[in-house]
Amino acid sequence: AQSVTQPDIHITVSEGASLELRCNYSYGATPYLFWYVQSPGQGLQLLLKYFSGDTLVQGIKGFEAEFKRSQSSFNLRKPSVHWSDAAEYFCAVGAPDTGFQKLVFGTGTRLLVSP
Amino acid sequence: NAGVTQTPKFQVLKTGQSMTLQCAQDMNHNSMYWYRQDPGMGLRLIYYSASEGTTDKGEVPNGYNVSRLNKREFSLRLESAAPSQTSVYFCASRKTGESYEQYFGPGTRLTVT
Repeated sequence: AQSVTQPDIHITVSEGASLELRCNYSYGATPYLFWYVQSPGQGLQLLLKYFSGDTLVQGIKGFEAEFKRSQSSFNLRKPSVHWSDAAEYFCAVGAPDTGFQKLVFGTGTRLLVSP
Repeated sequence: NAGVTQTPKFQVLKTGQSMTLQCAQDMNHNSMYWYRQDPGMGLRLIYYSASEGTTDKGEVPNGYNVSRLNKREFSLRLESAAPSQTSVYFCASRKTGESYEQYFGPGTRLTVT
C-alpha cells in the first residue's frame, strides 16, 4: 500500500533562514504529489503539486518542491522564511490506480519560526 | 464563490448521542470526501463519494455513515458518538479530470464526552 513519510514532526527555523521539509513516499509508479499548508484553526490550502514534467515545481507564497524519483522524495523548500509561514505542512500522494480519487497524507510537520 | 463550507464549526456531544455534519461545495465538483484529523496522525479518509449517487469507504469508516444528498452536498453522520470520535473533521471536494487536488473546508471540531 502506498504511504507517505514526513520524518520531522517539528522544525524550528529563524526568520529569514532557508527551509526544507522532507517527504518520502512509497509507491511503485510515479504518483501525483502535493504539499498542503494548514494555519492554526484553518482548513488545508494547496501550496503546489507535481504531476509530470519539470521536477522542480513552483507554488504559492514563494515555496518550491523538487521531485526526485531515485529517492522517492518530494521535499518542500523556501529560501527565506517569514513569521507568517508558521503552520503545519502536509505532504500527500495521489495514486493513478485509484483514478486519483484518494489522497494519502503524511502525518505533517509543524513549522515554528523564531525571531 | 464560497468554496467548501461546513457546519457546525464546533460541537460537543455526550457519548451515545447522534449528529450530522454538513458539507456543501459550490464549485460543481464531482467528488467529495470526509476526513478526520487527529494529532500526530495526519488526515485519514473516512468516506468519499466519487460522484452523485455513489459512496465508498475510506481508511476509517467504522462508526460513521454518509449521504451524498446531491452534487453539492455530502453529509457525515455519527449514529452513536464515542469519545474516540473526538476529532477535527474536514470535508473536501475535487473536480474530476483536469486537476487532482482536493479543496478543503474549514473543519468541524467535535468533542465527545
